[in-house]
Amino acid sequence: KQEVTQIPAALSVPEGENLVLNCSFTDSAIYNLQWFRQDPGKGLTSLLLIQSSQREQTSGRLNASLDKSSGRSTLYIAASQPGDSATYLCAALRGGTYKYIFGTGTRLKVLA
Amino acid sequence: DAGVTQSPTHLIKTRGQQVTLRCSPKSGHDTVSWYQQALGQGPQFIFQYYEEEERQRGNFPDRFSGHQFPNYSSELNVNALLLGDSALYLCASSPYRDNPLEQYFGPGTRLTVT
Repeated sequence: KQEVTQIPAALSVPEGENLVLNCSFTDSAIYNLQWFRQDPGKGLTSLLLIQSSQREQTSGRLNASLDKSSGRSTLYIAASQPGDSATYLCAALRGGTYKYIFGTGTRLKVLA
Repeated sequence: DAGVTQSPTHLIKTRGQQVTLRCSPKSGHDTVSWYQQALGQGPQFIFQYYEEEERQRGNFPDRFSGHQFPNYSSELNVNALLLGDSALYLCASSPYRDNPLEQYFGPGTRLTVT
């Protein structure tokens, strides 16, 4: 059974810092690993999708990596800004299934 | 290009009642998934619809049912509401043929059961 864990649960940093958010999964037979952002009370915004054949994806100040052998994905945020404050969720999709398993998220607060 | 839309935005129901939530997928998407997100938790997969059929189901009771229409829009129905059904219900759509299973989410419907 796939389980997804995100550490830390919450993080508060000053503006400008570079951040690493961690996502661990128990089943290495994943097909996709997707990172999302969620603002309070809102839906999820897709940030990056890494397919199993890829090791990383980049979009602007965001970089996500995937290491299936160790069961880990990391989301790197460069030069953080107050607008980055949100909850960040990772979700893993096992090959042969259609349901994403989500972690409980990391609540990020970037202080001006 | 409209993204995923959901209606209503908010809903208040009483225990024992039934509710229907609606979702229109992003243009060009033919697969719709539904998730339940309790406060402070990650979304939990309810089920996925493709070609008007339920393709996979999560660990939810039969009180949760759904439907997909020929235009790919979808409904989530919950019968005999319990207090524990209070949550944010999220719909996600995917462009199955072009980029399998990358999901795009709607804004959600906040359901409160009293």
